[in-house]
Parts: sequence; structure tokens; C-alpha cells
Amino acid sequence: EVQLVESGGGLVQRGGSLRLSCAASRITFSETNLNWVRQRPGKGLEWVAYINTRSTTIYYADSAKGRFTISRDNAKNSLYLQMNSLRAEDTAVYYCARDDYGEMDVWGKGTTVTVSS
Amino acid sequence: QLVLTQLPSASASLGASVKLTCTLSSGYSDYAIAWHQQQPERGPRYLMKVNSDGSHNKGDGIPDRFSGSSSGAERYLTISSLQSEDEADYYCQTWGAGRVFGGGTRLTVL
Repeated sequence: EVQLVESGGGLVQRGGSLRLSCAASRITFSETNLNWVRQRPGKGLEWVAYINTRSTTIYYADSAKGRFTISRDNAKNSLYLQMNSLRAEDTAVYYCARDDYGEMDVWGKGTTVTVSS
Repeated sequence: QLVLTQLPSASASLGASVKLTCTLSSGYSDYAIAWHQQQPERGPRYLMKVNSDGSHNKGDGIPDRFSGSSSGAERYLTISSLQSEDEADYYCQTWGAGRVFGGGTRLTVL
């Protein structure tokens, strides 16, 4: 069974930075497109960013543009989300999800980011 | 602009059926969508893809009680023989240059 495991969440001060990771197993990582999705407390799912297999196509939600950077290392089977200039409204559970030509068909369990003011 | 609209809540009785609706914004009625389930305190789980012609492809291990269909700009998720564990939030999701989620429907099983 395909597994995605997020890590790197924690408590960070407003204006600070955090780097999330997503480790994949039981998949051919280099052939997998991926997303970051977040869920603020008590709210719905919100797409954050997408990256294709070779990192040649990257999309960001407006809320992430200019502050977040999605990247991947196919040799390490890992996906990353570098988050800078963090705000209170970035407090959320962050999920990575496999992207099968648009639909997200495998999800991780998430990692929690808390931005304190 | 590509937008998905869902009613915030729905309810149905144990053992009954329920049909949840996801509506695509104007001009996008031929888009496919995916349905995801999120049980309380758990991460999302992919249920199925629903195409504009009503055909659907379910994820691994998704029970036959779950099915999808379409009509115009509306995409549906039907759950039959409702069980207590079906009480969850259900999200539709689609894709263009980016990815888009609907606001979710909270299903209560009475």
C-alpha cells in the first residue's frame, strides 16, 4: 500500500519559517505528481501547492505565492514545503497528497503547524 | 473562475440512502471531480473520480455502497445503506491549472 508520511510541523513564531517534509514509500516517487493541502482548525480542505514529477510545473494557491516554496528530491523520495513569513492564519494541519492527473488519490495523515503571535 | 459549491450539511437515517451534490461553476460543466471523505479526527480519504458523463472510478477498498453520477454541472455522491461510520465530511475536488476544493458537506447519520 502506498504511504505518504508528513513531518516537520511544530510551533513557530509569527514571521518565522518552517520546512515540511513528506516521505513516500511503496510508490515510484519519480513518476508521481504531488500536492500540499492544508486544513485550518474547524475549516475545510484548502489546496496549497502542486509539483509535477520533474519539478518543471509548479502551481501555488494565492495564499502561498511569494511565501511558500514546494520542492522535491526524487533521489530521497521526498517532497518539501518551505514556509516563510508565517502568519497566524497559516496555522493548520498540512497534508501531502498524490496527484493522479488532477485527482488526489492518496493522502498522508498530516503534520500540524501552529503559528503563535 | 473554477469554483465548486457544496451544501454545508446533510442528514439521513441509518440504513437509508443519501445523495450529496457538488456544483461546478459556469463554463466548467464538463470537468471531472473527485470525492473525498474525512471522518472525525482523521485525514482525508479518496473515494472516487466522477466524470461528466456520469462514469466513476472508485479508489481501492471503497465499498459498493458508494457511487457517483453526474447531471450537467452537478456531480453526485450517493451513499446507500448508511452506516454510522459514514458520518463524516465529504469534499469534492477538481483541477485546472491548480487544484480546487468545495467547501465540504458534513453528513450526519441519524
